[in-house]
Amino acid sequence: GQNIDQPTEMTATEGAIVQINCTYQTSGFNGLFWYQQHAGEAPTFLSYNVLDGLEEKGRFSSFLSRSKGYSYLLLKELQMKDSASYLCAVSGGDSSYKLIFGSGTRLLVRP
Amino acid sequence: DAGVTQSPTHLIKTRGQQVTLRCSPKSGHDTVSWYQQALGQGPQFIFQYYEEEERQRGNFPDRFSGHQFPNYSSELNVNALLLGDSALYLCASSPRIGGALNEQFFGPGTRLTVL
Repeated sequence: GQNIDQPTEMTATEGAIVQINCTYQTSGFNGLFWYQQHAGEAPTFLSYNVLDGLEEKGRFSSFLSRSKGYSYLLLKELQMKDSASYLCAVSGGDSSYKLIFGSGTRLLVRP
Repeated sequence: DAGVTQSPTHLIKTRGQQVTLRCSPKSGHDTVSWYQQALGQGPQFIFQYYEEEERQRGNFPDRFSGHQFPNYSSELNVNALLLGDSALYLCASSPRIGGALNEQFFGPGTRLTVL
């Protein structure tokens, strides 16, 4: 089957660092995506990993371990505007590259 | 460059009715995927259209159907609406490239409420 797990909610303080974990079990793998989604808005692309290791992009970094079926999104120097849901998604192994999403992690950044 | 656009923004229907949602992909993209996102959940894949044909389908009943036009825009139709169909419907477009990366750009979504 296909299963993607991530924590439901997390709380962090402005200026701090937070790590959002994601574990997955899918029948195929063409890469792992992280999306940010503010309430009532569309998901926006944050990062993509297809090989093991860390990808850094400004305040955001994403890590992948394919052998462990594990990824994390690291957010540094948190800002209030980072309060949002963070969606972990795996691109399936078929030709459609359809995305299989987790339920999302709601991050609340407090002053 | 316009991104992915969807219409309408919001829609209210009653049980048993039919609804049509529309999507225009990002310029240069020829593949359109539709997702359903219930409140508090991640998006669920409905189906994907490429070259005016349905290429892949998720675990959704036949009440959900779609169409892609020669200009790559797409429609999602839902018949015999149920209360459980209330959700945010997202359209995502992508270029049909052969590599592993196939980033999908999402539209703003259509919020469907079934009463």
